[in-house]
Amino acid sequence: TQLLEQSPQFLSIQEGENLTVYCNSSSVFSSLQWYRQEPGEGPVLLVTVVTGGEVKKLKRLTFQFGDARKDSSLHITAAQPGDTGLYLCAAYGSSNTGKLIFGQGTTLQVKP
Amino acid sequence: DTAVSQTPKYLVTQMGNDKSIKCEQNLGHDTMYWYKQDSKKFLKIMFSYNNKELIINETVPNRFSPKSPDKAHLNLHINSLELGDSAVYFCASSQIQGTGGYTFGSGTRLTVV
Repeated sequence: TQLLEQSPQFLSIQEGENLTVYCNSSSVFSSLQWYRQEPGEGPVLLVTVVTGGEVKKLKRLTFQFGDARKDSSLHITAAQPGDTGLYLCAAYGSSNTGKLIFGQGTTLQVKP
Repeated sequence: DTAVSQTPKYLVTQMGNDKSIKCEQNLGHDTMYWYKQDSKKFLKIMFSYNNKELIINETVPNRFSPKSPDKAHLNLHINSLELGDSAVYFCASSQIQGTGGYTFGSGTRLTVV
């Protein structure tokens, strides 16, 4: 069974701090996605990383795909209260059925 | 104009009842999915349909039956509801099976009492 393990599970920080969320697996993936979910809403796709070592930036968010395509990280610079939410990494399983597997998620709370 | 819409948003029902959740997407996507999010926020796939054909059927009790009348709609019917069925159910769609990101609906919070 392919698993995506995220850490930390919970993070509570003050506005302006930096943070990193990790997504690890023992499996190799062709691509990996990051989603953010706000309370009462569905997950929203933030980014897809495809190439090993790839770095993508989305304003204050920096996403990196590991060289071996087994892991990924999300770094937020100068976190804002609007960054509060559940961050999920996801990747397609090997069965070629289009099944997207999710990590357990990281709940981020940014206090003003 | 909502891309993936689910109804109802909230559903409170008694054990043993039968209920349905409806989902519609106006994105022209070929594939639709049902996911269950438990109290620990873990998202697990239940079913997927590609152009009305069932592709994924995870280990889900057969009290759960999906139906796709056309590629823009995927409904979920649940028979004989149990307390453990309480969760948030998300519908999602993707353009091509196995690639790209999913677009999710805003979820249906099912509470069985």
